[in-house]
Amino acid sequence: DAGVTQSPTHLIKTRGQQVTLRCSPKSGHDTVSWYQQALGQGPQFIFQYYEEEERQRGNFPDRFSGHQFPNYSSELNVNALLLGDSALYLCASSGGGGLETQYFGPGTRLLVL
Amino acid sequence: AQKITQTQPGMFVQEKEAVTLDCTYDTSDQSYGLFWYKQPSSGEMIFLIYQGSYDEQNATEGRYSLNFQKARKSANLVISASQLGDSAMYFCAMREYNQAGTALIFGKGTTLSVSS
Repeated sequence: DAGVTQSPTHLIKTRGQQVTLRCSPKSGHDTVSWYQQALGQGPQFIFQYYEEEERQRGNFPDRFSGHQFPNYSSELNVNALLLGDSALYLCASSGGGGLETQYFGPGTRLLVL
Repeated sequence: AQKITQTQPGMFVQEKEAVTLDCTYDTSDQSYGLFWYKQPSSGEMIFLIYQGSYDEQNATEGRYSLNFQKARKSANLVISASQLGDSAMYFCAMREYNQAGTALIFGKGTTLSVSS
């Protein structure tokens, strides 16, 4: 049974560019959450998708947007990249409409130069 | 206000010893969940244990147990018989049930180092 997968594993971009990160949830899970983890910090919640809609959003600017597809996979898009967007981006999936435990993928390390 | 507080930036323990990682939380909700995750240097967050606010018994999962003291708002993780592979970052997290979604709020983490 495959766990949560994310792609790419690493990414280098320059300021002002746009990036798309992808996540495939664990089999049977219907909810996807995205987190940003800066170096030496705990993960910060970006947003959560359920039934192809953004259900909850953390304190992140509109430059951060996302999408969930009918197969429950999800994308995170970041526009107009800033140096401060450099971080580990973690995707987590859960079942039961999000009420069950969240399981995380390996993350995407984004470096903005 | 910080909702999850982990006051130990680093902890050091020898193999086979038990270790307690501290976590206090702040919420006005009656219904919430508390989680512990392990993050090795590879970066992946690994779920360890869960405690619901209405659970009367402390949660246990193998060598992991959660010392839940509701009145003190603490949810400490106890690892018995530490192993070298336990060396990692450990995060305490909370989920409140009054929100539209089920976002996790994380603490800043504790680095555990296990030596032989």
